[in-house]
Amino acid sequence: RKEVEQDPGPFNVPEGATVAFNCTYSNSASQSFFWYRQDCRKEPKLLMSVYSSGNEDGRFTAQLNRASQYISLLIRDSKLSDSATYLCVVREGNNDMRFGAGTRLTVKP
Amino acid sequence: DGGITQSPKYLFRKEGQNVTLSCEQNLNHDAMYWYRQDPGQGLRLIYYSQIVNDFQKGDIAEGYSVSREKKESFPLTVTSAQKNPTAFYLCASSRGEGPQHFGDGTRLSIL
Repeated sequence: RKEVEQDPGPFNVPEGATVAFNCTYSNSASQSFFWYRQDCRKEPKLLMSVYSSGNEDGRFTAQLNRASQYISLLIRDSKLSDSATYLCVVREGNNDMRFGAGTRLTVKP
Repeated sequence: DGGITQSPKYLFRKEGQNVTLSCEQNLNHDAMYWYRQDPGQGLRLIYYSQIVNDFQKGDIAEGYSVSREKKESFPLTVTSAQKNPTAFYLCASSRGEGPQHFGDGTRLSIL
């Protein structure tokens, strides 16, 4: 079983749609959680950290459910520029970061 | 501007050759990491270092070596023992429990 699992997609959505990604992790002792965005042939860039109380940054909302060991990312009012691969990242402690394989999103006009 | 600099952007390796990828950061981060990414795949950890003069193997350390003589620098050597080195190599750094910040990567290919 992979430590961090994501639906690989691809998710193809029209502009303006709302799309949600889920990510599950296996280590219940995991401490910190993040969503990154990676464009084709580029490095991953931090999108947002995920806090226990949930957090929002503009059109993006992240939620954490420790009991069920999953993290979600909601994107509202999708833009063409949101097309990318979204990586779920879990810090397991001792600086051990685990990356999901990513979920690919394509937003179409 | 603070950041992580990787060089070169593209690198070609001849068979039997060792090559070294550079990673420098001026973010004053203690921890540094090297990852490998193959097409359509996730990131896999090669080596990481939490402090100067100390480093640990990640999941796929075979055929690679690193050094951490300075806080700012964490070079990765891809040795001739690594039989399938073609990949996108990413260096990252972090402080405490904060997120990792990445360099813009080095693409390594075999000639």
